[in-house]
Amino acid sequence: AQSVTQLGSHVSVSEGALVLLRCNYSSSVPPYLFWYVQYPNQGLQLLLKYTSAATLVKGINGFEAEFKKSETSFHLTKPSAHMSDAAEYFCAVMGRSQGNLIFGKGTKLSVKP
Amino acid sequence: DSGVTQTPKHLITATGQRVTLRCSPRSGDLSVYWYQQSLDQGLQFLIQYYNGEERAKGNILERFSAQQFPDLHSELNLSSLELGDSALYFCASSVSGVAGNTIYFGEGSWLTVV
Repeated sequence: AQSVTQLGSHVSVSEGALVLLRCNYSSSVPPYLFWYVQYPNQGLQLLLKYTSAATLVKGINGFEAEFKKSETSFHLTKPSAHMSDAAEYFCAVMGRSQGNLIFGKGTKLSVKP
Repeated sequence: DSGVTQTPKHLITATGQRVTLRCSPRSGDLSVYWYQQSLDQGLQFLIQYYNGEERAKGNILERFSAQQFPDLHSELNLSSLELGDSALYFCASSVSGVAGNTIYFGEGSWLTVV
């Protein structure tokens, strides 16, 4: 069964600093991988998605993630944090033979001025 | 706006009661999903439908049931409610419900059981 582990339930960065949110997956076959963002009192919005077309995936709002099979990782990065990036971020996995998402516990990102 | 519509947005009810949450998928999407988000369990997959048929089942309690109607809207029925059922319930949809599809989420229905 697939699963994802997000390291760090809470990450705090200064405005303008690098954002790095970690995600490791567990799967016998490289799965599809997703990052979603949830702003306070809102639903989940797709940031980006890995489908094996390219290992570096660019998403919305300046975020990107790199798929590393050797490390079973799919970390999310953004070069320069903005106050509006403060939200909760979820990594999710979808197996190659299933159509539903399995989510990690989430990482809450705080951005300090 | 994802295009997935959920009603009601907020609901307060008493223990032992039954509620129905409603979802309209994005135009053109045939598959609907239900997820539960709570502080202690995180985001849990409950159930998936495709064109009216159940396709996959996750951690859905026997007290909960769902269906997808011919017009593709879906309802999640929660009965014999307990305090622990208080959570944010998301509906989501995708084009065909197969692996690789992007899944779009609604704003959620907040359920408070008192």
